[in-house]
Amino acid sequence: EADIYQTPRYLVIGTGKKITLECSQTMGHDKMYWYQQDPGMELHLIHYSYGVNSTEKGDLSSESTVSRIRTEHFPLTLESARPSHTSQYLCASSEPGLNYGYTFGSGTRLTVV
Amino acid sequence: GENVEQHPSTLSVQEGDSAVIKCTYSDSASNYFPWYKQELGKRPQLIIDIRSNVGEKKDQRIAVTLNKTAKHFSLHITETQPEDSAVYFCAALAGGSYIPTFGRGTSLIVHP
Repeated sequence: EADIYQTPRYLVIGTGKKITLECSQTMGHDKMYWYQQDPGMELHLIHYSYGVNSTEKGDLSSESTVSRIRTEHFPLTLESARPSHTSQYLCASSEPGLNYGYTFGSGTRLTVV
Repeated sequence: GENVEQHPSTLSVQEGDSAVIKCTYSDSASNYFPWYKQELGKRPQLIIDIRSNVGEKKDQRIAVTLNKTAKHFSLHITETQPEDSAVYFCAALAGGSYIPTFGRGTSLIVHP
């Protein structure tokens, strides 16, 4: 089924560890995004990509990095996890062209202890 | 840049009542306005959207209205049901941009 998939669904990790959150979509979408969602619900854009080899930083300052080597794959990496990184991370994608809504993944809930 | 204000932050209604969530935007170039529903523990899902050349759009019990002059758009849910309980996000997208500006969300609670 064409969709956007995130793994892992839940992750508990120690401070200082390097982690990669996976995001893959099978819809042929060119644009992909990473959002951080805080407990108060608000969505904060941390990275986005318009296509292969294109990556941009969003509004929220983040210590994470992303890569876009393949159209369908947009992983997010934290080089050194901190307790302040504890949050829900949502990946999304959208169709080519303007004025299309997002399809969101199910999210990764990260806890850094 | 664009600024989207969403109100109320929490809305509590009785089953069968109507619910209205309102968003205002600042950028007159915005021309696409999606609404997302996020149930507890689930992903946000696009439920309805409207483009600036349309004043109203309906889909069964939900409708969205757009007032370009006043720069506001609203989500209307009629005959609410407990399964409508969720967080609802509005967003605005300016022409030529791929990045929407989201509102801060409204938590809708429908009491049986």
